[in-house]
Amino acid sequence: AQKVTQAQTEISVVEKEDVTLDCVYETRDTTYYLFWYKQPPSGELVFLIRRNSFDEQNEISGRYSWNFQKSTSSFNFTITASQVVDSAVYFCALSGIKAAGNKLTFGGGTRVLVKP
Amino acid sequence: DTGVSQDPRHKITKRGQNVTFRCDPISEHNRLYWYRQTLGQGPEFLTYFQNEAQLEKSRLLSDRFSAERPKGSFSTLEIQRTEQGDSAMYLCASSLTGTQGSEQFFGPGTRLTVL
Repeated sequence: AQKVTQAQTEISVVEKEDVTLDCVYETRDTTYYLFWYKQPPSGELVFLIRRNSFDEQNEISGRYSWNFQKSTSSFNFTITASQVVDSAVYFCALSGIKAAGNKLTFGGGTRVLVKP
Repeated sequence: DTGVSQDPRHKITKRGQNVTFRCDPISEHNRLYWYRQTLGQGPEFLTYFQNEAQLEKSRLLSDRFSAERPKGSFSTLEIQRTEQGDSAMYLCASSLTGTQGSEQFFGPGTRLTVL
């Protein structure tokens, strides 16, 4: 069974502050993929980043960065210099290689509110 | 290509009525997924198709739910004898096969309200 936990339900910051979102996952698969999606008020889930389990190199893409630590089963996501447009619900998701059709298991989401 | 589209965007129905939703995936994507999202929760997997074949159904998908994907293009999700507990956002996503862990692209969803 796969499980994703996002312990933070809501985070409120002032514009230009950094925001770090926590994600902890459980899977029995040795190969798996981790994702972050953004859901703005319009409702459409937007793909942000993907990381596979055999590559623990952390990366930065624009204002987004992520910290993947296999030893602690964590896949944290940081928005640097937050903007009001970053206000949304952010979901961490997992897809195990044995999961039928690479279906996604989502966490409960973290609502981010960026105040001007 | 305009991405994944879903129709209708909103549906209000009375308990006991049947409803049908449509999803048009990205044209070259051969995998299509349905998820359900209730308020304040993350999406939950319902079912998926590879081309026209429905390959897995979640236990969340009761006998009142049926999904089809004729000719491997668009898909429909029908709910018969709707119940108030069916009220949710129904999300469709598509992806390419052949690439392990390929990202899924989501449509805007259909929000169902059962009165």
